[in-house]
Amino acid sequence: QQQVKQSPQSLIVQKGGISIINCAYENTAFDYFPWYQQFPGKGPALLIAIRPDVSEKKEGRFTISFNKSAKQFSLHIMDSQPGDSATYFCAASTSGGSNYKLTFGKGTLLTVNP
Amino acid sequence: DVKVTQSSRYLVKRTGEKVFLECVQDMDHENMFWYRQDPGLGLRLIYFSYDVKMKEKGDIPEGYSVSREKKERFSLILESASTNQTSMYLCASSLWGGFRGYTFGSGTRLTVV
Repeated sequence: QQQVKQSPQSLIVQKGGISIINCAYENTAFDYFPWYQQFPGKGPALLIAIRPDVSEKKEGRFTISFNKSAKQFSLHIMDSQPGDSATYFCAASTSGGSNYKLTFGKGTLLTVNP
Repeated sequence: DVKVTQSSRYLVKRTGEKVFLECVQDMDHENMFWYRQDPGLGLRLIYFSYDVKMKEKGDIPEGYSVSREKKERFSLILESASTNQTSMYLCASSLWGGFRGYTFGSGTRLTVV
């Protein structure tokens, strides 16, 4: 059972455009939603994260939008640059106790053309 | 700079061999994780540990075991390597409590022939 569904699988955007990646989750106990960025040959790195008590979080060109009622969250990359070309993973976890393990989406390969 | 270090970037092993993948973190993190990454399947959790000598199965533990004798080191063991275990293996660590991101290593690309 896939608990976090991510789309699209791949995305091609022109430089300066907006990249949008969507995720949907099923487990209503999830209360932490990070996004990871992975460049070829590297491990994923935390990009931005949100808690469900806010509907939006912005850090520079990266914004997470969160819709609790729809159980969906998305990553928006404004003014996309070729250096943003990477694989992006959404994830979710529950809090409490020792269980901070993340459940990841399957990833989106973003290509930003110059 | 905090780090998670995986001992090998590339490994080639033969079917049936016992394989050890090592991971060391220098951040005094309580939690450590092993994931495998395959195209189209994303990151799948194999095992995790939230304390020394403690371990819990993830989503795909079959064919794997782990060892955590010291807080900073978490080893993944393939008891008898098979070709379907050819994959990228990623180690990660995180702090106990609160909402902190994982820190990942750069991965070990394992090929079983």
